[in-house]
Amino acid sequence: NAGVTQTPKFQVLKTGQSMTLQCAQDMNHNSMYWYRQDPGMGLRLIYYSASEGTTDKGEVPNGYNVSRLNKREFSLRLESAAPSQTSVYFCASSVLAGGYEQYFGPGTRLTVT
Amino acid sequence: DAKTTQPPSMDCAEGRAANLPCNHSTISGNEYVYWYRQIHSQGPQYIIHGLKNNETNEMASLIITEDRKSSTLILPHATLRDTAVYYCIVRVAGNQGGKLIFGQGTELSVKP
Repeated sequence: NAGVTQTPKFQVLKTGQSMTLQCAQDMNHNSMYWYRQDPGMGLRLIYYSASEGTTDKGEVPNGYNVSRLNKREFSLRLESAAPSQTSVYFCASSVLAGGYEQYFGPGTRLTVT
Repeated sequence: DAKTTQPPSMDCAEGRAANLPCNHSTISGNEYVYWYRQIHSQGPQYIIHGLKNNETNEMASLIITEDRKSSTLILPHATLRDTAVYYCIVRVAGNQGGKLIFGQGTELSVKP
């Protein structure tokens, strides 16, 4: 099993550009999550999807949109990137809806100039 | 949610057991203790969790005191690859949409 995969690994955007971060899991997990981690800080939840077809806002949803394409895939879109969105983005999944035994991907390092 | 307190850093000799403490004196009866670690530049990694009984898996053991006010994560034979920040997290299972709250954690350095 590949576990949780994320693409791309690195990305540099200019202010105002848009992009979509992709996440996929092959563990047949029900729930998926997007977090961001700023330098020296803990993780903050952006959005989560408890099950296929549902999404909910987390702690810091402004400036982001998500799509739970199917059970395997959960994408995060930045419509108009801002320097404040420079961060490392982690996708995670869990078997249980809202479960805390979560499995994380390797992260996407995004820089917005 | 109960607050957790961990020492900011610890050292351990390679091959020895690493014992990482966590204080959660305000834990309530339905809150679980979860442990994660984050190796530099990687995604967090789930290690183990428990409610009140001691737990063991292939990575570690979790010892929870009888009054549940503190716990210890034990890595039985630490290796250099166990150098990471370790997080103790207390959550009510299935509540609050799965939001994990990572505090400052303990930075474990395993030395040769």
